[in-house]
Amino acid sequence: EIVLTQSPGTLSLSPGERAALSCRASQSVSTSYLAWHQQKPGQAPRLLIYGASRRATGIPDRFSGSGSGTDFTLTINRLEPEDFAVYYCQHYDSSSALTFGGGTKVEIK
Amino acid sequence: EVQLVESGGGLVKPGGSLRLSCAASGFTFNNAWMSWVRQAPGKGLEWVGRIKRKTDGGTTDYGAPVKGRFTISRDDSKNTLYLQMNSLRTEDTAVYYCVTLDSSGYFSLDYWGQGTQVTVSS
Repeated sequence: EIVLTQSPGTLSLSPGERAALSCRASQSVSTSYLAWHQQKPGQAPRLLIYGASRRATGIPDRFSGSGSGTDFTLTINRLEPEDFAVYYCQHYDSSSALTFGGGTKVEIK
Repeated sequence: EVQLVESGGGLVKPGGSLRLSCAASGFTFNNAWMSWVRQAPGKGLEWVGRIKRKTDGGTTDYGAPVKGRFTISRDDSKNTLYLQMNSLRTEDTAVYYCVTLDSSGYFSLDYWGQGTQVTVSS
């Protein structure tokens, strides 16, 4: 089973700054199967990025995904107040197992 | 608009059973792969399992912690997804989310319900 490790655990930034969140896979994975989700307190998660770099419907272009192999990054340019949340990467592999990273919390500095 | 509404959560004793339902609307349910994801209090997301659409065999897969105890099923005539949970343990306490799973090649969890709370406690 592929293990996803997210870092850092917590990122303390100010509105307007740029956030870079890392997701590292325990073995090389297809970019097609890597997604990112955002979860705000008391809410369900929502899909931000799929296929490593494709924005989901309605997601602002300040969110971008990149990476390949074992290293993937979610970048949030010019943090808005509503972007402070927990972010999870997600992978689905060919053995039909779906895994999540442990999450990165982006908090207001 | 895609809507997923979970129900059936509640308090149950260890060793007990519970069945969750998820009413789906706003998309062609019988064409969708569906999944359940859970989140224990203060913890991250954990995949429970997945069911394919019937034209893809309607097969199921489960995460290791629930395999053999939980069963996912669907009733396409009612646009409803189910999660039958047996032999419940305290560690199954979580919010359970019903989620659509892309089957076009990306396998991302696309649309999430609001979740239903399951508490396993004596």
